[in-house]
Amino acid sequence: QSVLTQPPSASGTPGQRVTISCSGSSSNIGSKTVNWYQQLPGTAPKLLIYSNDQRPSGVPDRFSGSKSGTSASLAISGLQSEDEADYYCATWDDSLNGWVFGGGTKLTVL
Amino acid sequence: QVQLVQSGAEVKKPGSSVKVSCRASGGIFNSYAISWVRQAPGQGLEWMGGIIAIFNTPKYAPKFQGRVTITADKSTTTAYMEVRSLRSEDTAVYFCARHSGYSYTSDFYMDVWGKGTTVTVSS
Repeated sequence: QSVLTQPPSASGTPGQRVTISCSGSSSNIGSKTVNWYQQLPGTAPKLLIYSNDQRPSGVPDRFSGSKSGTSASLAISGLQSEDEADYYCATWDDSLNGWVFGGGTKLTVL
Repeated sequence: QVQLVQSGAEVKKPGSSVKVSCRASGGIFNSYAISWVRQAPGQGLEWMGGIIAIFNTPKYAPKFQGRVTITADKSTTTAYMEVRSLRSEDTAVYFCARHSGYSYTSDFYMDVWGKGTTVTVSS
């Protein structure tokens, strides 16, 4: 069981907007910033969003992040076939004194 | 542009040890922390621990304390992660990841990742 809870799957058609949620607690999301990673099949994770809502250089503005209380969300607008991947949220947990990840959400573009 | 180059795939017997390396190129190694994250087949990401290169001070997730050793060699800009007493459940891809600053704590996210090293534990 992961400390951060994500839906195991999500889907959408090209052009649609999808959101992926990440639920935690006061010792992690509630008091720390959240990062999101995209993992394409057979590759290493890639930083998608950092500090809740910041995009690294090169990440399209179709990807956006937000946080409220002990939950965070990743939104992908204008869905494209190349967005089909696994998405993970991550943050520091003060109780565990370490980094924790969500269980991952597999996004399927129909 | 910093890159993290990891060592090649390993096949190990249960009870043995494995040491994976992660060489940083194109950046200032001492200014950053390095974490190790593993991913079992078909599973999610799991943080194992990290090290602040300039101080060579490691930190471990409770699950791995005592069985994992993380070190850094500043002269070769290489981080290492050793797992002892391997069991089948340690079969996974092991990633090293650079943090955005000098520490592995909350303000410094993992921004650059190595391609991963596959470790297979089988008798």
